[in-house]
Amino acid sequence: GQQVMQIPQYQHVQEGEDFTTYCNSSTTLSNIQWYKQRPGGHPVFLIQLVKSGEVKKQKRLTFQFGEAKKNSSLHITATQTTDVGTYFCAGGSNDYKLSFGAGTTVTVRA
Amino acid sequence: EAGVVQSPRYKIIEKKQPVAFWCNPISGHNTLYWYLQNLGQGPELLIRYENEEAVDDSQLPKDRFSAERLKGVDSTLKIQPAELGDSAVYLCASGEGLHTDTQYFGPGTRLTVL
Repeated sequence: GQQVMQIPQYQHVQEGEDFTTYCNSSTTLSNIQWYKQRPGGHPVFLIQLVKSGEVKKQKRLTFQFGEAKKNSSLHITATQTTDVGTYFCAGGSNDYKLSFGAGTTVTVRA
Repeated sequence: EAGVVQSPRYKIIEKKQPVAFWCNPISGHNTLYWYLQNLGQGPELLIRYENEEAVDDSQLPKDRFSAERLKGVDSTLKIQPAELGDSAVYLCASGEGLHTDTQYFGPGTRLTVL
């Protein structure tokens, strides 16, 4: 079945620095979604990418979908303490299934 | 707009006891999902409903887990009997029913089995 892997599992970032987290699927995806889960909270939808090579930006967050639709990345610039949490990618397939990765947990050093 | 509502938020039971979780999705959302989330992991799908029909329950351990969505709105997830390994957060999510469905998660029920 479809598997989605995320790296790194943990990301410790100095406030103000940039970082990237990566998501890789074993199969071609119909779409990829990114969610953020704050400590003690529940996953909250951030964005969805559908097209090959698609790039979307939300303020300091840049999301990219690979040309082969098997990988994705999330790049955060000028990290802030509000960026703390776990970022999940979720790969969608044409049978409506959404497979979540294990997430990248981000901590920020002030 | 009200979000997905789940209750209870926390539940502590002894092993072999039954437990039930309730979910009220966002109004108008046809699709409802139950997920299990273990610490440090992403959500894992247990069951997906389209209206009142369970269209994907392949990951639901049917020997002890059951779910229903009788009127195509609220849903309940039951475990009977609970085992120690069932301790986790049980998340309910709803969506509009598109194949590129964005999922809106509830706050979850944190289950502890002693």
